[in-house]
Amino acid sequence: GAVVSQHPSRVICKSGTSVKIECRSLDFQATTMFWYRQFPKQSLMLMATSNEGSKATYEQGVEKDKFLINHASLTLSTLTVTSAHPEDSSFYICSAPDGSGSFDEQFFGPGTRLTVL
Amino acid sequence: AQTVTQSQPEMSVQEAETVTLSCTYDTSESDYYLFWYKQPPSRQMILVIRQEAYKQQNATENRFSVNFQKAAKSFSLKISDSQLGDAAMYFCASNTGNQFYFGTGTSLTVIP
Repeated sequence: GAVVSQHPSRVICKSGTSVKIECRSLDFQATTMFWYRQFPKQSLMLMATSNEGSKATYEQGVEKDKFLINHASLTLSTLTVTSAHPEDSSFYICSAPDGSGSFDEQFFGPGTRLTVL
Repeated sequence: AQTVTQSQPEMSVQEAETVTLSCTYDTSESDYYLFWYKQPPSRQMILVIRQEAYKQQNATENRFSVNFQKAAKSFSLKISDSQLGDAAMYFCASNTGNQFYFGTGTSLTVIP
């Protein structure tokens, strides 16, 4: 199946700094990618839909100025957590459909664990 | 919008036995897919099985099968001959187009 990678796999930062997380589709092109946040022992919550060449679509309650998304190419989407605070500590997962059909299978990245001190 | 409900936060099964994980969903869409994903301790989401809503026949993948009851909006996962490697969080999900909706998950423990 298709492969999605994320970098870094884990990051620790100080409060107030910004952190960038990359999501790449390795063997397919993805015009759309999705960003999820998962708190411990909880489900995946969709944060935003990243669209190549246009603005991201954010879910209700997600601050677009805090979670900046840039879909720079057909294989790369980045999520930047700006001015991170301890409450932003979480596991961030991206996914991408492989474009094979109208109800595409989603391929998930391995996730990025963010810890804000 | 769609909602997915998993009423069993935790389940356990003896190795080699069979276990069924429950899932119900609610959607106003006529065309949709249903999925079961496995999330082991590595946190990598792995597709276990998927079901097209328009198909009446239940999907099967080796030891994994589903009981899809469309009228009841129920989509349970049966794991036969459970193995230690099946221990993980299992998420039920539905989608319309590209947008996925996940349940809260069921933590499955396999007892040797």
